[in-house]
Amino acid sequence: EVQLVESGGGLVKPGESLRLSCSASGFTFVSYTMNWVRQAPGKGLEWVSSITSSRNFILYGDSVKGRFTVSRDNAENSLHLQMNSLRAEDTAIYYCTRETNMEAFDIWGQGTMVTVSS
Amino acid sequence: QSVLTQPPSASGTPGQGVTISCSGGVSNIGSKSVLWYQQFPGTAPKLLIYNNNQRPSGVPDRFSASKSGTSASLAISGLRSEDEADYYCAAWDVNLHSRLFGGGTKLTVL
Repeated sequence: EVQLVESGGGLVKPGESLRLSCSASGFTFVSYTMNWVRQAPGKGLEWVSSITSSRNFILYGDSVKGRFTVSRDNAENSLHLQMNSLRAEDTAIYYCTRETNMEAFDIWGQGTMVTVSS
Repeated sequence: QSVLTQPPSASGTPGQGVTISCSGGVSNIGSKSVLWYQQFPGTAPKLLIYNNNQRPSGVPDRFSASKSGTSASLAISGLRSEDEADYYCAAWDVNLHSRLFGGGTKLTVL
């Protein structure tokens, strides 16, 4: 079964750091660009970051640029998001998604909740 | 405020049809393919439409989509109560180098 499972979410204080992980299974992870998308409580979807299969092309949304770092371990079939200098507005469910060659996010994880609060 | 603009809500009665619009610009909808996602409360989004009007396997043909210029639309025919969900359009923006999502449309089946 094709599956993405996120982990690492939790409650942190403003300014602190957190590292999210996404474990992929059921498909050839190394063949796909992967993305992080987040959704603040009661709000819409916001794209966070993208990393190509060979890590040669990495992009970030403006709201996280300079604070978040995406990485992947193709040997371990895992995707990561290092989040530093967290702010209250980073509070959201973070989803790991697989991107097809038609730029579609066809597989989504169940999400992991990040809460930034003092 | 999202670069891709959707109406916040839409509604219809069972059996009816409904259309959800998504308005963007030349650098996103005008030059890249449009995606549509469906999301039920408390669950992850699901891909509904890709490449402007293509349905992934398993998506009923009651769902269709189109694009014209810098706007796109999602049409749902023969509404069912289980179609009640949030719907998001999305597209890559070649100027912003960013994936954009519309603000989402909450569909209510009356």
